[in-house]
Amino acid sequence: ILNVEQSPQSLHVQEGDSTNFTCSFPSSNFYALHWYRWETAKSPEALFVMTLNGDEKKKGRISATLNTKEGYSYLYIKGSQPEDSATYLCASSTSGTYKYIFGTGTRLKVLA
Amino acid sequence: NAGVTQTPKFQVLKTGQSMTLQCAQDMNHEYMSWYRQDPGMGLRLIHYSVGAGITDQGEVPNGYNVSRSTTEDFPLRLLSAAPSQTSVYFCASSYKQGPSYEQYFGPGTRLTVT
Repeated sequence: ILNVEQSPQSLHVQEGDSTNFTCSFPSSNFYALHWYRWETAKSPEALFVMTLNGDEKKKGRISATLNTKEGYSYLYIKGSQPEDSATYLCASSTSGTYKYIFGTGTRLKVLA
Repeated sequence: NAGVTQTPKFQVLKTGQSMTLQCAQDMNHEYMSWYRQDPGMGLRLIHYSVGAGITDQGEVPNGYNVSRSTTEDFPLRLLSAAPSQTSVYFCASSYKQGPSYEQYFGPGTRLTVT
């Protein structure tokens, strides 16, 4: 069983601040890393899927990087807005299986 | 498309009762899975299916059964409910996009076992 860890557990930032979170995963037999955005009372929504070492993905003000050799991914939010408030989850899978192991998430609160 | 739908949204059971959580998707996705979400823990995989007639166990399968007779439906059965099964249950479906899978989640079922 993989152990996927996310830090920090929670984060409060001011509107306009940039922020980043970390997802750590075992690097052996790595296959794919997913980031999800999960708003309260809703279901998780996919942000990014990354598979290759050095991958960088971007969607608007949110971007992510992947280092499969050392087993971590960073999620960056530039110029945080109150609507960015959510829990950000990462999930990792090994060797092309369909089994994903999720981290416990980083809960972001952006203060207006 | 309705996407992934789950019923019921809320359910209260007594210990020992059985019930089925329903999950359906209308996106013709091959893959479907059930997760449970508990405070302080990540989403944990209960069972999954890679196609009609094919299911397999995830990380926490004990106390749950699944079947996949059609592509659209993937019900989760609790055989004899226990308080430890109090949780929020999410169903997800996915398709292979490139080397990996894009997952779509349902709205969740909040289950309380007393």
